[in-house]
Amino acid sequence: ELKVEQNPLFLSMQEGKNYTIYCNYSTTSDRLYWYRQDPGKSLESLFVLLSNGAVKQEGRLMASLDTKARLSTLHITAAVHDLSATYFCAVDEGAQKLVFGQGTRLTINP
Amino acid sequence: KAGVTQTPRYLIKTRGQQVTLSCSPISGHRSVSWYQQTPGQGLQFLFEYFSETQRNKGNFPGRFSGRQFSNSRSEMNVSTLELGDSALYLCASRISGGLGGELFFGEGSRLTVL
Repeated sequence: ELKVEQNPLFLSMQEGKNYTIYCNYSTTSDRLYWYRQDPGKSLESLFVLLSNGAVKQEGRLMASLDTKARLSTLHITAAVHDLSATYFCAVDEGAQKLVFGQGTRLTINP
Repeated sequence: KAGVTQTPRYLIKTRGQQVTLSCSPISGHRSVSWYQQTPGQGLQFLFEYFSETQRNKGNFPGRFSGRQFSNSRSEMNVSTLELGDSALYLCASRISGGLGGELFFGEGSRLTVL
């Protein structure tokens, strides 16, 4: 059974700082997704990573995938308050099913 | 281009009742998935439909069912509601039945069971 673990689960950081969220998964997969969720809202797709070594960047966020290590990272550069949200990684288990991590609640303080 | 539309957005039911939730995917998307989100269990896969066929089902009791219509719209039904069914139910669509396609989520239907 595929398990997906994120860490940290809670992250409070200062504006302007850099930090990384880690997503580890337990079985082979080369398709991983990152989503953002604001309180009371749905999931917003951030990145789709479809191969080993994939790296994607959008603004202050950069995601990468290492399928050999079964690890994806979401790096935040020079954080701003607007990035405060809960971030989820999800691994495609196959058969059209995504398995989600627990989510990382990110709070960015001025 | 309209996104994934879910109705109703909020509903309150009592134990033992049943509920039907509706999802209209993005135009042209033929795959529809459903997920349940709760504070305790997080996001869990319910089922996925493509061309009116259920292709995969998560580990939920038979009280949870769904279907997809020829226009790709989907409904899910929960019968004999329990308190633990209180959750945000999210529908998602993707353009094809293949692997790796981006999944787009609707705003969700928030169900409260009293």
